[in-house]
Amino acid sequence: EAQVTQNPRYLITVTGKKLTVTCSQNMNHEYMSWYRQDPGLGLRQIYYSMNVEVTDKGDVPEGYKVSRKEKRNFPLILESPSPNQTSLYFCASNPNPGLAGIYRETQYFGPGTRLLVL
Amino acid sequence: EDKVVQSPLSLVVHEGDTVTLNCSYEVTNFRSLLWYKQEKKAPTFLFMLTSSGIEKKSGRLSSILDKKELFSILNITATQTGDSAVYLCAVVGFDIAGTYKYIFGTGTRLKVLA
Repeated sequence: EAQVTQNPRYLITVTGKKLTVTCSQNMNHEYMSWYRQDPGLGLRQIYYSMNVEVTDKGDVPEGYKVSRKEKRNFPLILESPSPNQTSLYFCASNPNPGLAGIYRETQYFGPGTRLLVL
Repeated sequence: EDKVVQSPLSLVVHEGDTVTLNCSYEVTNFRSLLWYKQEKKAPTFLFMLTSSGIEKKSGRLSSILDKKELFSILNITATQTGDSAVYLCAVVGFDIAGTYKYIFGTGTRLKVLA
């Protein structure tokens, strides 16, 4: 089954304790991205990656890091989490260009990770 | 600064009503506009629009884009309680380097009463 998976789904942590949220897709997609969703602010893109070893900042990258060492995985790293990073996080991946009948821009979202930083 | 504005923020209707959700945008190098439905989980794709004046339809849902006036509408006819969700509008901006970024609106929360 084609899917995007995230782990963990729920996480409670304390300020300053490094954490990693994993994201994996089994569709051989090149483009992957991370979002955070906050009430009244909608979905905001944190980082995105066009392919292996290619990453770019989105609208709200401060306090986050990413890596793309292999196509299927795109982990989100919070080196020193703070309470203002409490949010709902989504990973997403996009179909590759050139696939017949598939829109490149349509994103497949993971199930979300709800993070609480105390 | 790129932005996407959705209205209304929230809407409560009765089953059978027709609703219109609005999305206006100011995004450099517009590529496409997407509509998503989000229930208590991840957003699911509804429509992608790239050309003005061409209506996309899927059952009771339809959407159209006006690139001159920079807006899109999502219509839902004969609403059902299962349509209750947050509807998200996103615009994709595209640059000459081949990268694209997503700008989401804050969503319209629709509640359909039985």
